[in-house]
Amino acid sequence: NAGVTQTPKFQVLKTGQSMTLQCAQDMNHNSMYWYRQDPGMGLRLIYYSASEGTTDKGEVPNGYNVSRLNKREFSLRLESAAPSQTSVYFCASSAVTGGPNEKLFFGSGTQLSVL
Amino acid sequence: AQTVTQSQPEMSVQEAETVTLSCTYDTSENNYYLFWYKQPPSRQMILVIRQEAYKQQNATENRFSVNFQKAAKSFSLKISDSQLGDTAMYFCAFMKPHGGSQGNLIFGKGTKLSVKP
Repeated sequence: NAGVTQTPKFQVLKTGQSMTLQCAQDMNHNSMYWYRQDPGMGLRLIYYSASEGTTDKGEVPNGYNVSRLNKREFSLRLESAAPSQTSVYFCASSAVTGGPNEKLFFGSGTQLSVL
Repeated sequence: AQTVTQSQPEMSVQEAETVTLSCTYDTSENNYYLFWYKQPPSRQMILVIRQEAYKQQNATENRFSVNFQKAAKSFSLKISDSQLGDTAMYFCAFMKPHGGSQGNLIFGKGTKLSVKP
């Protein structure tokens, strides 16, 4: 059971370069999320998608765009990478949006360094 | 806005002993959910335990239990019979049940727990 799969696991970019982080889940979940984790910080929400075809901003959306390609896939794009975007990025998914049985399943993360 | 505070950046415990990790939060909501997540060196985020605010009974999962004090806005995690595999970062997280960023977890900064043999 693959769960939530993120690619790539590691990436180094130069300032100004663009890239897309890919995320796919095989649990037929409606909701998907992108978080970033900085040293000494917990995870912070970048964008989320409550269902296929919808996306909304989270706490730290500046510098990012997202696409909910279909129910399985939710990608995160950095159009012009900046050193401040150096972080570990996590994708997550859940079956129930905001309900009492809410449980987020996380991918294994992408370590991104912007030089 | 909701905030989650973990006041212990690092803790250590001897194998087989008990340790308690602290978490406090601030919210004006009456109904919400609280979580403890474990992040081992592998970086994977693993749900340890979950508590619904409307339930007075403290949640337990095997060696893990919580002390939920709603009035004090406190949500501590107790790990009994600590094992070497419990070594990890532990994050406390808060979630509103509806509205806004649905399903959004507000995380604390984490507590690094080391279990020593």
